[in-house]
Amino acid sequence: NAGVTQTPKFRVLKTGQSMTLLCAQDMNHEYMYWYRQDPGMGLRLIHYSVGEGTTAKGEVPDGYNVSRLKKQNFLLGLESAAPSQTSVYFCASRQGTDTQYFGPGTRLTVL
Amino acid sequence: GNSVTQMEGPVTLSEEAFLTINCTYTATGYPSLFWYVQYPGEGLQLLLKATKADDKGSNKGFEATYRKETTSFHLEKGSVQVSDSAVYFCALRAYSGAGSYQLTFGKGTKLSVIP
Repeated sequence: NAGVTQTPKFRVLKTGQSMTLLCAQDMNHEYMYWYRQDPGMGLRLIHYSVGEGTTAKGEVPDGYNVSRLKKQNFLLGLESAAPSQTSVYFCASRQGTDTQYFGPGTRLTVL
Repeated sequence: GNSVTQMEGPVTLSEEAFLTINCTYTATGYPSLFWYVQYPGEGLQLLLKATKADDKGSNKGFEATYRKETTSFHLEKGSVQVSDSAVYFCALRAYSGAGSYQLTFGKGTKLSVIP
C-alpha cells in the first residue's frame, strides 16, 4: 500500500494563478484533511471531509476550495494564489477513531 | 477552544543526553493526546499516543504520560541519538461537532542531536 500520496511535491506560482493539489489514499479511509504548515505556527487545518461528497471548513479556509468526489481523493484548489499562501501543505486521512496518516507534503511558493 | 502549548525550540543536545519536551493542553471533555515526529523533508509520523488519563504511550525509547491533573503530556527519552534529530509536535484530538474529531497541534519543537 502507498498510504497517502500528494501531487505535486513542489510548485512555484505567480500571484493570481490557480492550481489544484491532489491527495490520494488507498486505505479506504472515510476522513480526509488538508493542513498548511508555516514556520513557528505548527499545522493548521484548512478543510476536511468526513466522507465522499462532503466537505467542511477548518481553521483557515479562506482562499481555498476543496472537493471529495471520490472517497480516495481529496483535492485542494487555489483559485487566485497569493504570496500569503506560500507554505507546505499536508494531506492526512483517518478511519474511525484511529490515528491520522499524513502524506509527504507539497511545498508551494507564490511569487 | 482547544489548544496545545509546547516548549519552544530549538533544542540542541549531545548524543546520549536525556530529553524532555514539555507539552500542556486546554480542552473540553476528555481528549486523546499524541506526539508526532517530522524528519527533514518528510510528513508527520505518529510517535506515540495516550487515550485516557494516566495512560503511558511509548515507542522507540520515547515515553509520555497523560496527566489530567496537570493537563500535560511531556515527551521524554533517556538517551537521544543523532537519528532522533527532527521536529516534534504535541497534539490533541477532541470532538469538534458534526461527527468529526479534529487534531489541534502545538507549534513544534526542533531537536538537534550532535555527536
